[in-house]
Amino acid sequence: GESVGLHLPTLSVQEGDNSIINCAYSNSASDYFIWYKQESGKGPQFIIDIRSNMDKRQGQRVTVLLNKTVKHLSLQIAATQPGDSAVYFCAEKGVSRGSARQLTFGSGTQLTVLP
Amino acid sequence: DTEVTQTPKHLVMGMTNKKSLKCEQHMGHRAMYWYKQKAKKPPELMFVYSYEKLSINESVPSRFSPECPNSSLLNLHLHALQPEDSALYLCASSQDEGNTEAFFGQGTRLTVV
Repeated sequence: GESVGLHLPTLSVQEGDNSIINCAYSNSASDYFIWYKQESGKGPQFIIDIRSNMDKRQGQRVTVLLNKTVKHLSLQIAATQPGDSAVYFCAEKGVSRGSARQLTFGSGTQLTVLP
Repeated sequence: DTEVTQTPKHLVMGMTNKKSLKCEQHMGHRAMYWYKQKAKKPPELMFVYSYEKLSINESVPSRFSPECPNSSLLNLHLHALQPEDSALYLCASSQDEGNTEAFFGQGTRLTVV
């Protein structure tokens, strides 16, 4: 079936370095993508989204890149801080079962920021 | 206000109990969702309500019964659960079912004993 997956389950970076979290998706009908951050014991927190008519979008310290040719999504975090330590999920929205649209999550990457 | 509020935060229930999880948002969103999340796993979609009507049921067992009394509230009624149903139950909402960001609550940590 269609799925959204991540290349690496864990990522450790030094404080102050840039982080890059990758995500592969397989549903060619996906046209909307979201990155979420989830800290322990909390719900997913929206970080940034991107629509399929774009290939790059920037937020505060974060950039999302979308490569539709290879069905790849990445999240770049600039100057990573200890508070960035969390699990990061990519999620995609696409048509499923006719017109019903679902938000499907990838498997997640645990980001650990080292002092 | 981008808050989705879930109550209770924690719930322990026996397999013969009946309980309800509650979710509330006041953002005027017309799509609301229930997700189930096991430890170290991504959230899995259970139900989607759009304009107070159930639009998606991901083959969820009938011991989980959703209800959308109005556009701001979403309930999940629980009955005769199994220990394997223990998980974090997340509620989310979005403006509609289209390409709009979904906001999540903090979840209810459910333990079935």
